[in-house]
Amino acid sequence: DTGVSQDPRHKITKRGQNVTFRCDPISEHNRLYWYRQTLGQGPEFLTYFQNEAQLEKSRLLSDRFSAERPKGSFSTLEIQRTEQGDSAMYLCASSPTTGATNEKLFFGSGTQLSVL
Amino acid sequence: AQKITQTQPGMFVQEKEAVTLDCTYDTSDQSYGLFWYKQPSSGEMIFLIYQGSYDEQNATEGRYSLNFQKARKSANLVISASQLGDSAMYFCAMRRTGGYQKVTFGTGTKLQVIP
Repeated sequence: DTGVSQDPRHKITKRGQNVTFRCDPISEHNRLYWYRQTLGQGPEFLTYFQNEAQLEKSRLLSDRFSAERPKGSFSTLEIQRTEQGDSAMYLCASSPTTGATNEKLFFGSGTQLSVL
Repeated sequence: AQKITQTQPGMFVQEKEAVTLDCTYDTSDQSYGLFWYKQPSSGEMIFLIYQGSYDEQNATEGRYSLNFQKARKSANLVISASQLGDSAMYFCAMRRTGGYQKVTFGTGTKLQVIP
């Protein structure tokens, strides 16, 4: 069990560029979540996958954002035409499908995005 | 809708002392779970403790305990014998019961342990 890994740890980009982040969940976890965290705030839910199916998307996820989990393993989050307001920490989390209320999330270390 | 409120943006505690971090929540659900996560400066969110809405006893995990008062809708985290490594952001969170339910987080409390 190597934990949830995210790549890259930091990304600096210019406004208008596209960026893509990767998340590798814990191998036996079939639930995967993306959260966004801005300075001084708690994580805000963006989207959720069960295996390869994207089952929920937040209204925070504008048309410029797209997430995939093609084989039910790793996931990518792409932001097109980045804006300065996209600057944030993007957190990925995974969990096993126990269906229990105490099913906790295992988080990666996040990708810190800075849009100049 | 669920809402988590953490009213303490920052707290200081002397090393070896106990500290209580406040959390109140709002939900119309009868069955739900409450979590506390720790986020050190490295960024990773670390699970600390869980309390179910129907659990009769307050949860404890080592130096962490959760003071659950259901009628008041509060779920305060108590850290006993604070250590320098406890300095971090602490987030209260909740989830409804039933299949998949996303976790909703509060805004966090920054705890600093003073030597």
